[in-house]
Amino acid sequence: DIVMTQSPASLGVSLGGKATINCKSSQSVLYNLNNKNCLAWYQQKPGQAPRLLIYWASYRETGVPDRFTGSGSGTDFTLTINSLQAEDVAVYYCHQYYITPFTFGPGTKVDIK
Amino acid sequence: QVQLQESGPGLVKSSETLSLTCTVSGGSVSSLDSKWTWVRQPPGKGLEWIGIIWPNAKTIYNTSLGGRVTISRDTSNNQFSLSLSSVTAADTAVYYCARVPASNEVLDRWGHGTLVTVSS
Repeated sequence: DIVMTQSPASLGVSLGGKATINCKSSQSVLYNLNNKNCLAWYQQKPGQAPRLLIYWASYRETGVPDRFTGSGSGTDFTLTINSLQAEDVAVYYCHQYYITPFTFGPGTKVDIK
Repeated sequence: QVQLQESGPGLVKSSETLSLTCTVSGGSVSSLDSKWTWVRQPPGKGLEWIGIIWPNAKTIYNTSLGGRVTISRDTSNNQFSLSLSSVTAADTAVYYCARVPASNEVLDRWGHGTLVTVSS
């Protein structure tokens, strides 16, 4: 199975500040047929289901604010939240869909500092 | 807009079978543009992918569940279901159903989730 790790486990960011979340996969998730990375990011607020933010590592889902940016390739990925808003307080998960069983990172909790 | 809703018992006895149903609206479980999946989340913990069912009813399961999982669909009622046998306290979790678009394997629409507690 591909193991996903995330860092940090939690971080506090000032309103308007920048949050950077890292995700690493135990093997490459680059899909050679389309040269895209099978890596997604989800946001989960307390008591809610996860919400898809980013797919193919850097493609923003429809309706997701452009302050959310995904980057990276191969085994190392980053989710950046610019100009953090109060509504961005949540746990963020990375997810590899390169091979089954699909796996998720352990999550990164983002709070307001 | 595709919407999903989980339903089923919130309490299951240890060693018995957990059964949940996901009702889909705004889309079809037999549509070629979607696959359907189950994910669970133990209280206070992360997400675990359980398995997926394709438009042709092919299924793939997470082998970590030791062959206890069955995912099926009911096209007449536009539903798909999860069955997990021989449950233990470790199976206590919020269970989510979700849609996976045919173009990739991400989960782009989720149900609200339903908490299932396994009691001894």
